[in-house]
Amino acid sequence: QVQLQESGPGLVKPSQTLSLTCTVSGGSINTGSYYWTWIRQPAGKGLEWIGRVDTSGATSYNPSLRSRVTISIDTSTNQFSLKLNSVTAADTAVYYCARWGGGVRFDPWGQGSLVTVSS
Amino acid sequence: DIVMTQSPDSLAVSLGERATINCKSSQTVLYSSNNKNYLAWYQQKAGQPPKLLIYWASTRESGVPDRFNGSGSGTDFTLTISSLQAEDVAVYYCQQYYSTPYTFGQGTKLEIK
Repeated sequence: QVQLQESGPGLVKPSQTLSLTCTVSGGSINTGSYYWTWIRQPAGKGLEWIGRVDTSGATSYNPSLRSRVTISIDTSTNQFSLKLNSVTAADTAVYYCARWGGGVRFDPWGQGSLVTVSS
Repeated sequence: DIVMTQSPDSLAVSLGERATINCKSSQTVLYSSNNKNYLAWYQQKAGQPPKLLIYWASTRESGVPDRFNGSGSGTDFTLTISSLQAEDVAVYYCQQYYSTPYTFGQGTKLEIK
Protein backbone atom coordinates (compact mmCIF):
# COMPACT_ATOMS: atom_id res chain seq x y z
CA GLN A 1 0.00 0.00 0.00
CA VAL A 2 1.01 3.64 -0.36
CA GLN A 3 3.41 4.94 2.28
CA LEU A 4 4.70 8.45 2.90
CA GLN A 5 8.00 9.48 4.46
CA GLU A 6 9.15 12.97 5.36
CA SER A 7 12.79 14.00 5.12
CA GLY A 8 14.77 17.15 5.72
CA PRO A 9 16.82 19.07 8.28
CA GLY A 10 15.74 18.77 11.89
CA LEU A 11 17.20 22.13 12.86
CA VAL A 12 16.67 25.44 11.09
CA LYS A 13 17.95 28.86 12.15
CA PRO A 14 15.54 31.73 12.70
CA SER A 15 14.80 33.79 9.55
CA GLN A 16 15.93 30.93 7.31
CA THR A 17 13.86 28.57 5.15
CA LEU A 18 12.46 25.28 6.34
CA SER A 19 12.52 22.66 3.57
CA LEU A 20 10.95 19.22 3.76
CA THR A 21 10.32 16.52 1.18
CA CYS A 22 7.72 13.77 1.29
CA THR A 23 8.53 10.62 -0.65
CA VAL A 24 5.62 8.48 -1.78
CA SER A 25 6.28 4.75 -2.10
CA GLY A 26 4.11 1.76 -2.96
CA GLY A 27 2.24 3.64 -5.69
CA SER A 28 2.46 6.49 -8.13
CA ILE A 29 1.83 10.03 -6.93
CA ASN A 30 0.05 10.50 -10.27
CA THR A 31 -2.58 7.82 -9.68
CA GLY A 32 -6.06 8.85 -8.64
CA SER A 33 -7.54 12.15 -7.64
CA TYR A 34 -5.64 13.09 -4.53
CA TYR A 35 -4.33 16.17 -2.84
CA TRP A 36 -0.88 15.91 -1.33
CA THR A 37 -0.90 17.78 1.94
CA TRP A 38 1.29 19.17 4.72
CA ILE A 39 0.05 19.40 8.32
CA ARG A 40 2.01 20.46 11.38
CA GLN A 41 1.71 19.92 15.11
CA PRO A 42 3.65 21.91 17.73
CA ALA A 43 4.65 19.82 20.73
CA GLY A 44 1.66 19.07 22.93
CA LYS A 45 -0.66 21.06 20.69
CA GLY A 46 -3.20 20.53 17.95
CA LEU A 47 -3.02 20.04 14.21
CA GLU A 48 -2.70 22.83 11.65
CA TRP A 49 -3.36 22.31 7.95
CA ILE A 50 -0.59 24.06 6.03
CA GLY A 51 -1.70 23.44 2.46
CA ARG A 52 -1.90 21.03 -0.44
CA VAL A 53 -0.90 20.39 -4.03
CA ASP A 54 -2.45 18.24 -6.74
CA THR A 55 -0.71 16.46 -9.57
CA SER A 56 -1.25 19.41 -11.92
CA GLY A 57 0.71 21.56 -9.48
CA ALA A 58 -2.33 23.52 -8.32
CA THR A 59 -1.98 24.62 -4.72
CA SER A 60 -4.09 25.82 -1.81
CA TYR A 61 -2.58 27.30 1.32
CA ASN A 62 -3.68 28.22 4.81
CA PRO A 63 -4.13 32.02 4.74
CA SER A 64 -2.26 32.24 8.04
CA LEU A 65 0.89 30.96 6.28
CA ARG A 66 0.26 31.86 2.65
CA SER A 67 2.85 34.64 2.47
CA ARG A 68 5.64 32.29 3.61
CA VAL A 69 4.79 28.85 2.20
CA THR A 70 5.35 27.03 -1.06
CA ILE A 71 4.26 23.46 -1.76
CA SER A 72 5.40 21.80 -4.96
CA ILE A 73 5.23 18.38 -6.57
CA ASP A 74 7.66 16.37 -8.69
CA THR A 75 5.84 13.49 -10.30
CA SER A 76 9.06 12.16 -11.86
CA THR A 77 10.50 11.42 -8.43
CA ASN A 78 7.20 10.64 -6.68
CA GLN A 79 7.82 13.44 -4.19
CA PHE A 80 6.22 16.63 -3.00
CA SER A 81 7.86 19.35 -0.96
CA LEU A 82 7.27 22.10 1.56
CA LYS A 83 9.18 25.34 1.86
CA LEU A 84 8.44 27.76 4.69
CA ASN A 85 10.53 30.90 4.75
CA SER A 86 11.36 33.44 7.42
CA VAL A 87 10.87 30.90 10.19
CA THR A 88 10.67 31.72 13.88
CA ALA A 89 10.49 29.61 17.03
CA ALA A 90 6.72 29.48 16.54
CA ASP A 91 7.30 27.26 13.50
CA THR A 92 8.90 24.54 15.64
CA ALA A 93 6.69 21.50 15.19
CA VAL A 94 6.32 17.97 13.91
CA TYR A 95 5.56 18.27 10.22
CA TYR A 96 3.44 15.55 8.64
CA CYS A 97 2.81 14.85 5.01
CA ALA A 98 -0.48 13.14 4.20
CA ARG A 99 -2.67 12.24 1.26
CA TRP A 100 -6.18 13.70 1.07
CA GLY A 101 -8.51 11.45 -0.82
CA GLY A 102 -12.08 10.36 -1.35
CA GLY A 103 -13.15 13.84 -0.38
CA VAL A 104 -13.12 12.72 3.24
CA ARG A 105 -9.82 11.46 4.58
CA PHE A 106 -6.22 12.20 5.36
CA ASP A 107 -4.73 8.76 4.76
CA PRO A 108 -2.02 7.65 4.78
CA TRP A 109 0.22 9.89 6.85
CA GLY A 110 3.95 10.01 7.16
CA GLN A 111 5.44 9.33 10.58
CA GLY A 112 6.25 13.00 11.01
CA SER A 113 9.44 15.04 11.01
CA LEU A 114 10.40 17.20 13.97
CA VAL A 115 11.75 20.56 12.89
CA THR A 116 13.21 22.85 15.53
CA VAL A 117 13.83 26.51 14.83
CA SER A 118 16.73 27.68 16.94
CA SER A 119 20.02 29.48 16.58
CA ASP B 1 -11.83 30.04 8.81
CA ILE B 2 -14.17 27.61 10.55
CA VAL B 3 -13.17 27.30 14.21
CA MET B 4 -13.63 23.89 15.79
CA THR B 5 -14.00 23.77 19.57
CA GLN B 6 -13.93 20.51 21.49
CA SER B 7 -15.05 19.75 25.02
CA PRO B 8 -13.77 18.67 27.38
CA ASP B 9 -10.03 19.20 26.92
CA SER B 10 -9.38 16.01 28.88
CA LEU B 11 -11.46 13.12 30.09
CA ALA B 12 -10.85 10.15 32.41
CA VAL B 13 -13.20 7.19 32.07
CA SER B 14 -13.19 3.75 33.66
CA LEU B 15 -12.62 0.68 31.52
CA GLY B 16 -15.88 -0.55 30.04
CA GLU B 17 -17.63 2.77 30.60
CA ARG B 18 -18.83 5.26 28.00
CA ALA B 19 -16.73 8.20 26.85
CA THR B 20 -18.30 11.20 25.15
CA ILE B 21 -16.43 13.97 23.33
CA ASN B 22 -18.14 17.02 21.89
CA CYS B 23 -17.19 19.22 18.97
CA LYS B 24 -18.74 22.51 17.91
CA SER B 25 -18.05 24.37 14.68
CA SER B 26 -18.25 28.14 14.34
CA GLN B 27 -20.46 27.74 11.28
CA THR B 28 -22.41 24.93 9.76
CA VAL B 29 -20.51 22.11 8.06
CA LEU B 30 -23.71 20.66 6.64
CA TYR B 31 -23.76 20.99 2.86
CA SER B 32 -27.40 21.44 1.95
CA SER B 33 -27.12 20.11 -1.62
CA ASN B 34 -26.21 16.60 -0.48
CA ASN B 35 -27.27 16.73 3.20
CA LYS B 36 -23.84 15.62 4.33
CA ASN B 37 -21.89 16.93 7.30
CA TYR B 38 -18.27 17.53 6.34
CA LEU B 39 -16.92 16.44 9.71
CA ALA B 40 -14.39 13.75 10.63
CA TRP B 41 -12.93 12.34 13.83
CA TYR B 42 -9.30 11.26 14.24
CA GLN B 43 -7.52 9.33 16.97
CA GLN B 44 -3.88 10.08 17.73
CA LYS B 45 -1.89 7.80 19.97
CA ALA B 46 1.40 8.93 21.50
CA GLY B 47 4.19 9.21 18.98
CA GLN B 48 1.96 8.35 16.02
CA PRO B 49 0.20 10.29 13.28
CA PRO B 50 -3.57 10.64 13.52
CA LYS B 51 -5.82 7.83 12.34
CA LEU B 52 -9.25 8.39 10.78
CA LEU B 53 -12.14 6.94 12.78
CA ILE B 54 -15.28 8.60 11.43
CA TYR B 55 -16.19 10.66 8.35
CA TRP B 56 -19.43 12.32 7.17
CA ALA B 57 -19.94 12.80 10.94
CA SER B 58 -21.24 9.27 11.47
CA THR B 59 -19.69 6.84 8.96
CA ARG B 60 -17.17 4.53 10.55
CA GLU B 61 -13.94 4.02 8.60
CA SER B 62 -13.28 0.43 7.53
CA GLY B 63 -11.68 -1.56 10.34
CA VAL B 64 -12.71 0.82 13.13
CA PRO B 65 -14.38 -1.04 16.03
CA ASP B 66 -18.12 -0.52 16.32
CA ARG B 67 -17.75 0.89 19.84
CA PHE B 68 -16.81 4.17 18.12
CA ASN B 69 -19.84 6.16 17.01
CA GLY B 70 -20.25 9.65 15.62
CA SER B 71 -23.39 11.75 15.68
CA GLY B 72 -24.63 15.29 15.24
CA SER B 73 -25.39 17.71 12.44
CA GLY B 74 -24.88 21.31 11.46
CA THR B 75 -22.59 22.75 14.11
CA ASP B 76 -22.75 20.25 16.99
CA PHE B 77 -21.17 16.81 16.93
CA THR B 78 -20.33 14.00 19.33
CA LEU B 79 -17.93 11.09 19.34
CA THR B 80 -18.97 8.30 21.66
CA ILE B 81 -16.92 5.31 22.69
CA SER B 82 -19.49 2.92 24.08
CA SER B 83 -17.22 0.71 26.20
CA LEU B 84 -13.75 2.08 26.79
CA GLN B 85 -10.84 -0.24 26.16
CA ALA B 86 -7.25 0.28 27.29
CA GLU B 87 -6.11 0.74 23.69
CA ASP B 88 -8.45 3.73 23.29
CA VAL B 89 -6.15 5.96 25.35
CA ALA B 90 -5.31 8.74 22.89
CA VAL B 91 -6.04 12.30 21.88
CA TYR B 92 -9.14 12.69 19.72
CA TYR B 93 -9.61 15.45 17.16
CA CYS B 94 -12.60 16.58 15.16
CA GLN B 95 -11.87 18.10 11.74
CA GLN B 96 -14.02 19.95 9.24
CA TYR B 97 -13.54 19.56 5.50
CA TYR B 98 -16.42 21.83 4.49
CA SER B 99 -14.02 24.54 3.36
CA THR B 100 -10.33 25.28 3.22
CA PRO B 101 -8.36 25.89 5.29
CA TYR B 102 -9.37 22.55 6.79
CA THR B 103 -9.34 22.97 10.56
CA PHE B 104 -9.11 20.73 13.58
CA GLY B 105 -10.38 21.00 17.12
CA GLN B 106 -7.81 21.51 19.85
CA GLY B 107 -8.03 17.85 20.85
CA THR B 108 -9.47 15.89 23.77
CA LYS B 109 -7.10 13.74 25.79
CA LEU B 110 -8.77 10.50 26.88
CA GLU B 111 -7.32 8.56 29.80
CA ILE B 112 -8.27 5.62 31.95
CA LYS B 113 -9.69 6.41 35.40
